[in-house]
Amino acid sequence: AQSVTQPDIHITVSEGASLELRCNYSYGATPYLFWYVQSPGQGLQLLLKYFSGDTLVQGIKGFEAEFKRSQSSFNLRKPSVHWSDAAEYFCAVGAQGSGTYKYIFGTGTRLKVLA
Amino acid sequence: EAGVVQSPRYKIIEKKQPVAFWCNPISGHNTLYWYLQNLGQGPELLIRYENEEAVDDSQLPKDRFSAERLKGVDSTLKIQPAELGDSAVYLCASSLTGAETQYFGPGTRLLVL
Repeated sequence: AQSVTQPDIHITVSEGASLELRCNYSYGATPYLFWYVQSPGQGLQLLLKYFSGDTLVQGIKGFEAEFKRSQSSFNLRKPSVHWSDAAEYFCAVGAQGSGTYKYIFGTGTRLKVLA
Repeated sequence: EAGVVQSPRYKIIEKKQPVAFWCNPISGHNTLYWYLQNLGQGPELLIRYENEEAVDDSQLPKDRFSAERLKGVDSTLKIQPAELGDSAVYLCASSLTGAETQYFGPGTRLLVL
Protein backbone atom coordinates (compact mmCIF):
# COMPACT_ATOMS: atom_id res chain seq x y z
CA ALA A 1 0.00 0.00 0.00
CA GLN A 2 1.09 3.54 -0.63
CA SER A 3 2.31 5.55 2.33
CA VAL A 4 4.04 8.80 3.18
CA THR A 5 6.35 9.30 6.14
CA GLN A 6 7.44 12.59 7.59
CA PRO A 7 9.81 11.49 10.33
CA ASP A 8 10.11 14.86 12.07
CA ILE A 9 7.01 15.95 13.97
CA HIS A 10 8.58 19.22 15.13
CA ILE A 11 11.56 21.19 13.85
CA THR A 12 12.94 24.41 15.32
CA VAL A 13 15.38 26.61 13.43
CA SER A 14 16.70 30.10 13.89
CA GLU A 15 15.70 32.80 11.47
CA GLY A 16 18.20 32.94 8.62
CA ALA A 17 19.26 29.33 9.05
CA SER A 18 18.79 26.71 6.38
CA LEU A 19 15.94 24.22 6.51
CA GLU A 20 15.35 20.69 5.31
CA LEU A 21 12.11 18.81 5.92
CA ARG A 22 12.14 15.11 5.18
CA CYS A 23 9.57 13.10 3.28
CA ASN A 24 9.75 9.44 2.33
CA TYR A 25 7.15 7.56 0.37
CA SER A 26 6.28 4.01 -0.46
CA TYR A 27 4.87 3.39 -3.92
CA GLY A 28 5.56 0.92 -6.69
CA ALA A 29 5.97 3.47 -9.45
CA THR A 30 6.98 7.10 -9.69
CA PRO A 31 4.25 9.05 -7.94
CA TYR A 32 3.23 12.64 -8.18
CA LEU A 33 4.74 14.46 -5.22
CA PHE A 34 3.62 17.60 -3.46
CA TRP A 35 4.51 19.85 -0.58
CA TYR A 36 1.82 21.96 1.07
CA VAL A 37 2.05 24.50 3.88
CA GLN A 38 -0.69 25.18 6.41
CA SER A 39 -0.68 28.23 8.64
CA PRO A 40 -2.80 28.17 11.80
CA GLY A 41 -6.51 28.26 11.01
CA GLN A 42 -5.89 28.13 7.28
CA GLY A 43 -6.23 25.62 4.51
CA LEU A 44 -3.34 24.01 2.68
CA GLN A 45 -1.35 26.09 0.21
CA LEU A 46 0.63 24.36 -2.52
CA LEU A 47 4.36 25.08 -2.30
CA LEU A 48 5.60 22.93 -5.15
CA LYS A 49 4.99 19.71 -7.04
CA TYR A 50 6.88 17.07 -8.99
CA PHE A 51 5.31 15.13 -11.83
CA SER A 52 8.29 14.28 -14.04
CA GLY A 53 11.46 15.73 -15.55
CA ASP A 54 14.03 17.70 -13.58
CA THR A 55 14.25 16.17 -10.12
CA LEU A 56 14.96 19.53 -8.46
CA VAL A 57 11.80 21.60 -8.41
CA GLN A 58 11.40 25.20 -7.40
CA GLY A 59 8.36 26.45 -5.56
CA ILE A 60 6.93 29.56 -4.06
CA LYS A 61 8.39 31.48 -1.11
CA GLY A 62 11.94 30.38 -1.94
CA PHE A 63 11.34 26.68 -1.32
CA GLU A 64 12.73 23.85 -3.40
CA ALA A 65 12.51 20.07 -3.24
CA GLU A 66 14.51 17.25 -4.72
CA PHE A 67 13.09 13.93 -5.86
CA LYS A 68 15.47 11.05 -5.22
CA ARG A 69 14.11 7.84 -6.67
CA SER A 70 16.81 5.67 -5.10
CA GLN A 71 15.90 6.90 -1.64
CA SER A 72 12.15 7.25 -2.23
CA SER A 73 12.44 10.75 -0.87
CA PHE A 74 11.20 14.21 -1.68
CA ASN A 75 12.80 16.53 0.86
CA LEU A 76 11.88 20.19 1.09
CA ARG A 77 14.61 22.79 1.50
CA LYS A 78 15.02 26.50 2.00
CA PRO A 79 18.42 28.20 2.25
CA SER A 80 17.34 30.94 4.67
CA VAL A 81 14.23 30.68 6.80
CA HIS A 82 12.06 33.69 7.60
CA TRP A 83 9.92 34.06 10.72
CA SER A 84 6.83 33.94 8.49
CA ASP A 85 7.72 30.38 7.46
CA ALA A 86 6.55 29.07 10.83
CA ALA A 87 3.70 26.73 9.94
CA GLU A 88 2.91 23.07 9.40
CA TYR A 89 4.25 21.40 6.29
CA PHE A 90 2.66 18.39 4.63
CA CYS A 91 4.15 16.09 2.04
CA ALA A 92 1.67 14.30 -0.21
CA VAL A 93 1.84 11.55 -2.76
CA GLY A 94 -0.56 11.27 -5.65
CA ALA A 95 -0.78 7.63 -6.58
CA GLN A 96 -2.89 5.28 -8.60
CA GLY A 97 -4.41 2.47 -6.60
CA SER A 98 -7.50 0.27 -6.77
CA GLY A 99 -8.47 1.88 -10.05
CA THR A 100 -8.51 5.37 -8.66
CA TYR A 101 -6.09 8.21 -8.10
CA LYS A 102 -5.56 9.36 -4.52
CA TYR A 103 -3.60 11.83 -2.48
CA ILE A 104 -1.95 10.36 0.59
CA PHE A 105 -0.70 12.88 3.11
CA GLY A 106 2.03 12.57 5.67
CA THR A 107 1.30 13.51 9.26
CA GLY A 108 3.04 16.84 8.90
CA THR A 109 6.07 18.64 10.32
CA ARG A 110 5.50 21.67 12.48
CA LEU A 111 8.17 24.31 11.96
CA LYS A 112 9.06 26.81 14.65
CA VAL A 113 11.31 29.73 13.81
CA LEU A 114 13.34 31.46 16.50
CA ALA A 115 14.03 35.16 16.15
CA GLU B 1 -9.44 33.98 -9.86
CA ALA B 2 -11.26 33.01 -6.69
CA GLY B 3 -10.01 29.99 -4.80
CA VAL B 4 -12.02 27.28 -3.12
CA VAL B 5 -14.64 28.84 -0.87
CA GLN B 6 -15.96 27.15 2.25
CA SER B 7 -18.54 28.16 4.80
CA PRO B 8 -18.94 28.44 7.64
CA ARG B 9 -15.37 28.87 8.82
CA TYR B 10 -16.25 27.85 12.37
CA LYS B 11 -19.13 25.92 13.85
CA ILE B 12 -19.92 24.96 17.42
CA ILE B 13 -22.78 22.55 18.05
CA GLU B 14 -23.95 20.20 20.73
CA LYS B 15 -23.67 16.47 20.20
CA LYS B 16 -26.57 14.79 18.43
CA GLN B 17 -27.29 17.97 16.47
CA PRO B 18 -27.02 18.09 12.67
CA VAL B 19 -24.47 20.23 10.88
CA ALA B 20 -23.75 21.05 7.25
CA PHE B 21 -20.73 22.44 5.46
CA TRP B 22 -20.71 24.09 2.06
CA CYS B 23 -18.00 24.22 -0.58
CA ASN B 24 -17.70 26.11 -3.85
CA PRO B 25 -14.74 24.84 -5.92
CA ILE B 26 -12.57 26.76 -8.34
CA SER B 27 -14.48 27.52 -11.52
CA GLY B 28 -14.02 24.80 -14.11
CA HIS B 29 -12.71 22.20 -11.69
CA ASN B 30 -14.53 18.95 -12.26
CA THR B 31 -13.17 17.06 -9.27
CA LEU B 32 -14.13 17.97 -5.72
CA TYR B 33 -12.85 16.43 -2.50
CA TRP B 34 -13.88 16.52 1.12
CA TYR B 35 -11.18 15.79 3.68
CA LEU B 36 -11.17 15.36 7.43
CA GLN B 37 -8.21 16.73 9.35
CA ASN B 38 -7.77 15.85 12.98
CA LEU B 39 -5.48 17.88 15.20
CA GLY B 40 -1.85 17.11 14.47
CA GLN B 41 -2.66 14.93 11.49
CA GLY B 42 -2.67 15.20 7.74
CA PRO B 43 -5.93 15.38 5.80
CA GLU B 44 -7.77 12.13 5.15
CA LEU B 45 -10.10 11.76 2.21
CA LEU B 46 -13.80 11.38 2.97
CA ILE B 47 -15.27 11.55 -0.51
CA ARG B 48 -14.30 12.46 -4.06
CA TYR B 49 -16.63 13.69 -6.79
CA GLU B 50 -16.09 13.67 -10.52
CA ASN B 51 -18.69 16.21 -11.62
CA GLU B 52 -21.83 15.11 -9.77
CA GLU B 53 -20.79 11.49 -9.29
CA ALA B 54 -19.24 10.28 -6.05
CA VAL B 55 -16.42 8.07 -7.36
CA ASP B 56 -14.73 7.33 -4.04
CA ASP B 57 -16.69 7.38 -0.80
CA SER B 58 -15.08 4.37 0.78
CA GLN B 59 -13.88 6.38 3.82
CA LEU B 60 -17.15 8.22 4.42
CA PRO B 61 -18.96 6.98 7.57
CA LYS B 62 -22.28 6.56 5.85
CA ASP B 63 -24.29 5.97 9.01
CA ARG B 64 -24.03 9.64 9.91
CA PHE B 65 -22.25 11.43 7.07
CA SER B 66 -23.73 12.32 3.72
CA ALA B 67 -22.64 14.52 0.84
CA GLU B 68 -24.05 15.82 -2.37
CA ARG B 69 -22.94 17.73 -5.44
CA LEU B 70 -26.18 18.07 -7.31
CA LYS B 71 -25.17 20.20 -10.31
CA GLY B 72 -21.53 19.24 -10.39
CA VAL B 73 -20.38 22.53 -8.87
CA ASP B 74 -21.13 23.32 -5.22
CA SER B 75 -21.11 20.58 -2.64
CA THR B 76 -22.55 20.07 0.82
CA LEU B 77 -21.26 17.71 3.50
CA LYS B 78 -23.65 16.85 6.31
CA ILE B 79 -23.29 15.12 9.64
CA GLN B 80 -26.39 13.88 11.44
CA PRO B 81 -26.20 13.34 14.32
CA ALA B 82 -22.84 14.81 15.28
CA GLU B 83 -20.68 13.06 17.87
CA LEU B 84 -17.92 14.42 20.07
CA GLY B 85 -15.32 12.65 17.95
CA ASP B 86 -16.40 14.58 14.88
CA SER B 87 -14.64 17.69 16.19
CA ALA B 88 -12.05 18.40 13.51
CA VAL B 89 -11.35 20.56 10.47
CA TYR B 90 -13.26 19.70 7.32
CA LEU B 91 -11.38 20.68 4.20
CA CYS B 92 -12.70 20.96 0.68
CA ALA B 93 -10.39 20.80 -2.33
CA SER B 94 -10.83 20.84 -6.07
CA SER B 95 -8.82 19.96 -9.15
CA LEU B 96 -9.30 20.14 -12.90
CA THR B 97 -9.41 16.37 -13.11
CA GLY B 98 -8.85 13.55 -10.68
CA ALA B 99 -5.14 13.34 -11.42
CA GLU B 100 -4.28 17.00 -11.20
CA THR B 101 -3.02 19.26 -8.45
CA GLN B 102 -5.53 19.82 -5.66
CA TYR B 103 -6.30 23.28 -4.34
CA PHE B 104 -7.68 23.60 -0.85
CA GLY B 105 -10.17 25.89 0.80
CA PRO B 106 -9.63 27.39 4.26
CA GLY B 107 -11.61 24.65 5.97
CA THR B 108 -14.47 24.56 8.46
CA ARG B 109 -13.44 24.03 12.05
CA LEU B 110 -16.11 22.02 13.86
CA LEU B 111 -16.38 21.74 17.62
CA VAL B 112 -18.93 19.32 19.04
CA LEU B 113 -19.76 19.85 22.73
